[in-house]
Amino acid sequence: SQTIHQWPATLVQPVGSPLSLECTVEGTSNPNLYWYRQAAGRGLQLLFYSVGIGQISSEVPQNLSASRPQDRQFILSSKKLLLSDSGFYLCAWSGFGTAIVEAFFGQGTRLTVV
Amino acid sequence: KQEVTQIPAALSVPEGENLVLNCSFTDSAIYNLQWFRQDPGKGLTSLLLIQSSQREQTSGRLNASLDKSSGRSTLYIAASQPGDSATYLCAPYMNRDDKIIFGKGTRLHILP
Repeated sequence: SQTIHQWPATLVQPVGSPLSLECTVEGTSNPNLYWYRQAAGRGLQLLFYSVGIGQISSEVPQNLSASRPQDRQFILSSKKLLLSDSGFYLCAWSGFGTAIVEAFFGQGTRLTVV
Repeated sequence: KQEVTQIPAALSVPEGENLVLNCSFTDSAIYNLQWFRQDPGKGLTSLLLIQSSQREQTSGRLNASLDKSSGRSTLYIAASQPGDSATYLCAPYMNRDDKIIFGKGTRLHILP
């Protein structure tokens, strides 16, 4: 069965420090991968999505970047964190099987920038 | 550009009631639609997936319907329980490689 791993679960980082959040998927190949951010009490904001290795689409110009070095690995990064980067970050993957597109989410990373 | 609206934004009802959560989308040429549940501080859990050729899907006390031509989906929750308290989100998919856009969700609180 397919599983998605996202870590760490919580993170407290000072302003100006770098960031690296990692997400890996098991049990499937060539998934679409997504990074979302959810600010407190707000909806899901799509940050990046990828349909293949090295293919990254950015939805919101900001202080973050994403990379997909392997088929089932998606990394969210920042060189210098801002206070406004605080939030709940969710990784997701979607697969295409038997003519159905279905998405699955990781458990999220709570990032607090101090 | 697909836009998703969920009504109501929040709902607080006593347990035992049957509930209706609404999702509307501007582009009706969807591939399928998925309903999720999110508990506070957690990831999203898939509840139901409806293919564009289907009109409804059922899982236990949950029933999701889809009216593709009018751009609407409805999630019915029968005999609500306090454990149903969560935020419910819908996501229509345009095609297999398209980004997944969510509504802002309906925050549901079931009173014991």
